[in-house]
Amino acid sequence: TQLLEQSPQFLSIQEGENLTVYCNSSSVFSSLQWYRQEPGEGPVLLVTVVTGGEVKKLKRLTFQFGDARKDSSLHITAAQPGDTGLYLCAGGILSRGSTLGRLYFGRGTQLTVWP
Amino acid sequence: DTEVTQTPKHLVMGMTNKKSLKCEQHMGHRAMYWYKQKAKKPPELMFVYSYEKLSINESVPSRFSPECPNSSLLNLHLHALQPEDSALYLCASSQGLVTSYEQYFGPGTRLTVT
Repeated sequence: TQLLEQSPQFLSIQEGENLTVYCNSSSVFSSLQWYRQEPGEGPVLLVTVVTGGEVKKLKRLTFQFGDARKDSSLHITAAQPGDTGLYLCAGGILSRGSTLGRLYFGRGTQLTVWP
Repeated sequence: DTEVTQTPKHLVMGMTNKKSLKCEQHMGHRAMYWYKQKAKKPPELMFVYSYEKLSINESVPSRFSPECPNSSLLNLHLHALQPEDSALYLCASSQGLVTSYEQYFGPGTRLTVT
């Protein structure tokens, strides 16, 4: 069962275009993280959002956490070839009956930005 | 400093070999994780250690054996692997399992089983 549905799976755009990646769930998350991963490397943490309705900006990247903490989006303005990579959303949720937390990953969005 | 280091970067092993993957962090994190990642897929959780004790084993075959010698080190011992075990193995750490879910990943070990 995929707790986090991430879309689109693939995105191929020209330099300068804008794009949005979505991450949706029927579950409520305590926090949601976005990572970017390049081939053969580990995921690099971009941002963590924890409050419903929260918006965070990182240069040309804007991250939003839904009011109900069930969904999130990543918007990139004026994409550049250096933005190419696999973008992963991951939600933190408390396991039932336990304070043990774990991270649930979306399937990822493979972004290619052409010059 | 949010660095997690992993060695080796690449590993090729036969199905009868025994090898180990190593992970180290010096951020004072008390939770450490092993993930397996296939190409174009998200990481899959294998093991979680909290305060040097195994907290989660995601029904991983016994040919993978984790070890946490101290709070900074995490090992994954490999024995009698199968070709389908070829993947990128990622180590991650976080402050804890409850206080923070921010996980910092290492660069991974690319494992090829021949």
